[in-house]
Amino acid sequence: SAVISQKPSRDICQRGTSLTIQCQVDSQVTMMFWYRQQPGQSLTLIATANQGSEATYESGFVIDKFPISRPNLTFSTLTVSNMSPEDSSIYLCSVGDVGYGYTFGSGTRLTVV
Amino acid sequence: DAKTTQPNSMESNEEEPVHLPCNHSTISGTDYIHWYRQLPSQGPEYVIHGLTSNVNNRMASLAIAEDRKSSTLILHRATLRDAAVYYCIRRSNDYKLSFGAGTTVTVRA
Repeated sequence: SAVISQKPSRDICQRGTSLTIQCQVDSQVTMMFWYRQQPGQSLTLIATANQGSEATYESGFVIDKFPISRPNLTFSTLTVSNMSPEDSSIYLCSVGDVGYGYTFGSGTRLTVV
Repeated sequence: DAKTTQPNSMESNEEEPVHLPCNHSTISGTDYIHWYRQLPSQGPEYVIHGLTSNVNNRMASLAIAEDRKSSTLILHRATLRDAAVYYCIRRSNDYKLSFGAGTTVTVRA
């Protein structure tokens, strides 16, 4: 299975600023996803990161708030823009291949103060 | 809409089997059933997946009902390291995973 390196592992940010989270995979993967996990909750899919085209966002998530880049088949970034305390969550990237299980990064624990 | 139903919690004793049920009564013929678990402070970890037939791997077994409206994840001998939240997920043709609340498994020594 793929190995994911997600950075940073945690950060404390001031409200109104932005944070970019990186997701690096050790092999080329077609499907890459970004999730949010609010404290004590399950995971919620933010968007599907598509290589060579714009990301596809789920209901309740917009590109202006969570811009995503996918420049190649091994790398993606998620930016959390204009942050507020409500954005304090764990953000995770995930990759999948048809016929196999999905692999998740260890997550970025974000605290907005 | 997670589209699966699981009990909120289950307890087991160490060394005993654990049977985790999942209902997915509206599953379509092409949806795969995936199971993941999440240990504290970690990302979800793949456990097993299947379509129609029962599946076994080194971590667990997956028993799928003949009508595919339910499935059971079986941990054959629970250890303390198996304490986690277990998620049963339908993976549809768009390849997205929609997480529900999962089942919190507690293992007693």
